[in-house]
Amino acid sequence: EVQLLESGGGLVQPGGSLRLSCAASGFTFSSYAMSWVRQAPGKGLEWVSGISDSGGSTYYADSVKGRFTISRDNSKNTLYLQMNSLRAEDTAVYYCAKPRDRSGYYYLWGYWGQGTLVTVSS
Amino acid sequence: EIVLTQSPGTLSLSPGERATLSCRASQSVSSSYLAWYQQKPGQAPRLLIYGASSRATGIPDRFSGSGSGTDFTLTISRLEPEDFAVYYCQQYGNSPPTFGGGTKVEIK
Repeated sequence: EVQLLESGGGLVQPGGSLRLSCAASGFTFSSYAMSWVRQAPGKGLEWVSGISDSGGSTYYADSVKGRFTISRDNSKNTLYLQMNSLRAEDTAVYYCAKPRDRSGYYYLWGYWGQGTLVTVSS
Repeated sequence: EIVLTQSPGTLSLSPGERATLSCRASQSVSSSYLAWYQQKPGQAPRLLIYGASSRATGIPDRFSGSGSGTDFTLTISRLEPEDFAVYYCQQYGNSPPTFGGGTKVEIK
């Protein structure tokens, strides 16, 4: 059974940093591109960042480019999101998401974690 | 980027009724790479439909998707109590992937 377990969320001041983790199990982690998707309170879904299966290619939404860094450790089956220079508008639940299958559609997410809440406030 | 516009914002219906949700794209969606997700309060989204019309594993056949190009539709043939939720469309053929603003299906 595929499981994705996010952690690392919390309250941080504007300008601060936070690192999110997503522990994956139940599938061959190193064979899949992975993504982070966020949802501001009461709002819709927004793709944040993606990373290839090897970690060699990374992709970002314009809203976080230059501030967030996605990475992965395939030996630990873990996905990360380093968030720097945080702003109030980054407040959201952050989900780790896995593609439905290995068909190459990186952004068709068939599996999601339960999410971790990041609150940016003074 | 492709902007997806969902309508209506809220749909008030009774159990047993038919629900028709619309998703319109600002430009043609490549090869119908259009998905629908269901989200209930406090839960992660769940994939319902991909490729505009293919049901994901375990999704009941009362859910169906149709459309191509810039106009797509999610139909729930007969609403069950567990279907009252928010539904999002998403395109995954162009980068960045984008979502519509969502349609809330509420109990009338």
